[in-house]
Amino acid sequence: DVKVTQSSRYLVKRTGEKVFLECVQDMDHENMFWYRQDPGLGLRLIYFSYDVKMKEKGDIPEGYSVSREKKERFSLILESASTNQTSMYLCASSPGTGVEQYFGPGTRLTVT
Amino acid sequence: ILNVEQSPQSLHVQEGDSTNFTCSFPSSNFYALHWYRWETAKSPEALFVMTLNGDEKKKGRISATLNTKEGYSYLYIKGSQPEDSATYLCAFYVGGAGTALIFGKGTTLSVSS
Repeated sequence: DVKVTQSSRYLVKRTGEKVFLECVQDMDHENMFWYRQDPGLGLRLIYFSYDVKMKEKGDIPEGYSVSREKKERFSLILESASTNQTSMYLCASSPGTGVEQYFGPGTRLTVT
Repeated sequence: ILNVEQSPQSLHVQEGDSTNFTCSFPSSNFYALHWYRWETAKSPEALFVMTLNGDEKKKGRISATLNTKEGYSYLYIKGSQPEDSATYLCAFYVGGAGTALIFGKGTTLSVSS
């Protein structure tokens, strides 16, 4: 069964902290994605990666960075967390471009 | 900037009602159109991936159609049940290196018994 896992379901951090959100998929998928979901704004793409060590900016990359050292793992990094980064973060993976994406359970991050 | 519009934003129906939603997308440079269902406290799950103009897909009581020439897709739910309550997302893919899915804001369906 296809599986995408995220390191935490809920996370509370303080303003200015460096935050790591981890995503692991066990399907040997090439592509991985990070989204955030906010009420009224839908799913917005932060970064995606189509290969190990490759990354592409999405629609809202400011304040974030990513790391993909291994095929199965895609990390989202908030260099200095701010309150406007309080959101639901979803990771997804897909075996190719334009095909079905498989989503993780999400991490609800609160920055105080 | 490519935009995907979904309507209505939310919908409340009674059990047994049939309903439909609309997804509008740019008609040029089309590659694929996805529909996802996102239930509360769960992950979004793909319903359909559609690539050809005139495509019709069906899964149980849910079906979808695609018109790439005019840039829209309809999702139909026949005989809605409370378990159909969810947010339905469509996403458009233009294709090409360095591109990714563009999601609409979703239609939230609530079905009461």
